[in-house]
Amino acid sequence: EAQVTQNPRYLITVTGKKLTVTCSQNMNHEYMSWYRQDPGLGLRQIYYSMNVEVTDKGDVPEGYKVSRKEKRNFPLILESPSPNQTSLYFCASSPLSKVVGTDTQYFGPGTRLTVL
Amino acid sequence: AQSVAQPEDQVNVAEGNPLTVKCTYSVSGNPYLFWYVQYPNRGLQFLLKYITGDNLVKGSYGFEAEFNKSQTSFHLKKPSALVSDSALYFCAVRDLNYGQNFVFGPGTRLSVLP
Repeated sequence: EAQVTQNPRYLITVTGKKLTVTCSQNMNHEYMSWYRQDPGLGLRQIYYSMNVEVTDKGDVPEGYKVSRKEKRNFPLILESPSPNQTSLYFCASSPLSKVVGTDTQYFGPGTRLTVL
Repeated sequence: AQSVAQPEDQVNVAEGNPLTVKCTYSVSGNPYLFWYVQYPNRGLQFLLKYITGDNLVKGSYGFEAEFNKSQTSFHLKKPSALVSDSALYFCAVRDLNYGQNFVFGPGTRLSVLP
């Protein structure tokens, strides 16, 4: 089954304790992205990757890191989490069309993070 | 810069009635427009998209959307709402002439009342 998986689904942590949220896709998509969803703000892009070893900042990258060592995986790293990073996080992947570039995105189920 | 507005936080409609969820966008170049739906405790699911061609686009679950270039709108519609359509709906746009990333609207919560 074609899918994007994220782990963990739920995480409660404390300020300053490093954490990693994993994301994996089995569709051989070149493009992957991380978003955070906050009430009234919709989805805001944190980081994205056009392919292996190619990553770039989105609209709200502060406090986050990513890596893309393999095509299928795109982990999100919070080196020193703070309470303002409490949010719902989504990973997404998309094929890169020769005609239009990034196309329909496929989303993971989400990770609800609480930072105390 | 690209942007998306969904002017209504909440839309309530009776089951069996037509529904409309509004979306307006702003891009410098040509828009690539999407609608996604989010059910409780789930990720976003693709509904439909528009890039060119017929201004009326048909998608999943009986939804359709109408592209209006002069009004820069891409409203989501369904002729007869179901209680199971109750969810959070997101409009997204990408400027085909600038970058590869999409911008999402704030979302509209649709409640279909039995």
